[in-house]
Amino acid sequence: AQSVAQPEDQVNVAEGNPLTVKCTYSVSGNPYLFWYVQYPNRGLQFLLKYITGDNLVKGSYGFEAEFNKSQTSFHLKKPSALVSDSALYFCAVRDTGTASKLTFGTGTRLQVTL
Amino acid sequence: EAEVAQSPRYKITEKSQAVAFWCDPISGHATLYWYRQILGQGPELLVQFQDESVVDDSQLPKDRFSAERLKGVDSTLKIQPAELGDSAMYLCASSPNGAARSYNEQFFGPGTRLTVL
Repeated sequence: AQSVAQPEDQVNVAEGNPLTVKCTYSVSGNPYLFWYVQYPNRGLQFLLKYITGDNLVKGSYGFEAEFNKSQTSFHLKKPSALVSDSALYFCAVRDTGTASKLTFGTGTRLQVTL
Repeated sequence: EAEVAQSPRYKITEKSQAVAFWCDPISGHATLYWYRQILGQGPELLVQFQDESVVDDSQLPKDRFSAERLKGVDSTLKIQPAELGDSAMYLCASSPNGAARSYNEQFFGPGTRLTVL
């Protein structure tokens, strides 16, 4: 069975500092990996995805993520955080071999302060 | 920019009552998903449609939940009777292609927040 772990319930960072939101996954085959962001009382918005190829993926709003197969990780990063980045972030995985459903992590709340 | 529409945005009901949620996906999207998101958790898939056909409803509590997408466009999710544990956000999402193109991202609607009293 596939799974996703987001080990931090909350990440706090000062505006202008770099941020990292961690994600590790488990699949039987190769993964498709996604990051979504959720603002209060809203649906999820797609940020970026890894399918194949370059391990560093660039997405919306200056976010990027690095796929590390040996560590089964897909951490979300941004060089300089903004207060407006404060939201709930979800990592999700799908097993390419089984065309299975998308499995989401429990989410990490990012709080960016002035 | 095209968006997934959902209604109502909020619903308060008493237990044992029936409730229904509506979703209109992005035009041309063949695949439609209904998710349930309990507070503090990630979304969990309830049902997936490819056009008008159900392709995955393994997590749908079929004794009380039903879903349909009769013409392969908009969809309705129904709960009858509602229970206290059904309080959650119900999210609809759509994507251009089905399981064969499973690298496609999903586009989510704003959700319906259900409160069962």
